[in-house]
Amino acid sequence: EAGVAQSPRYKIIEKRQSVAFWCNPISGHATLYWYQQILGQGPKLLIQFQNNGVVDDSQLPKDRFSAERLKGVDSTLKIQPAKLEDSAVYLCASSDGTGGEAFFGQGTRLTVV
Amino acid sequence: AQSVTQLGSHVSVSEGALVLLRCNYSSSVPPYLFWYVQYPNQGLQLLLKYTSAATLVKGINGFEAEFKKSETSFHLTKPSAHMSDAAEYFCAVEAGTALIFGKGTTLSVSS
Repeated sequence: EAGVAQSPRYKIIEKRQSVAFWCNPISGHATLYWYQQILGQGPKLLIQFQNNGVVDDSQLPKDRFSAERLKGVDSTLKIQPAKLEDSAVYLCASSDGTGGEAFFGQGTRLTVV
Repeated sequence: AQSVTQLGSHVSVSEGALVLLRCNYSSSVPPYLFWYVQYPNQGLQLLLKYTSAATLVKGINGFEAEFKKSETSFHLTKPSAHMSDAAEYFCAVEAGTALIFGKGTTLSVSS
């Protein structure tokens, strides 16, 4: 069974530039999550989708972050414009939506300079 | 609001020694609790989870954790550390259908 795929693995951008991350969840998983993991901290939920609808985006900085999940499958997370404090690993995870385990991708490490 | 606190950001043990990683939770309802492991440049992998079926939970790689309601704890243990156990470990509590993570504990294993 293929796992959660994320790309790119690494990205370096200058502040005020824009960036986008892509996630392909495990086939059939209805629930998709984006987490932000700042160095030295645990992952923090940014947004949760159930199929293509948003369940929770209360911690998403909506003035600069946006996310979408088209057709309830792949998802993209965008930052525009980026700030230095956005430097982090962005983790995508998926689950079957019935209380089962959340499976994580390898993450995208973003460095904003 | 639910939360978890991991005591000790860094734990060092010798190979073959007992591993003990501490986690305390705060929850107004019976919690679902998890331990995840993260190897360098990798995503998180589930070690074990507590869903109220049994207070002692056995996970992968020889790890286990005991849910103690009286102490609001869910500490992770392994009787004998191996070099391959060196990693970052996260305790998490389920909030809705998402997870709230602790800050993590780095486990170092020396030979």
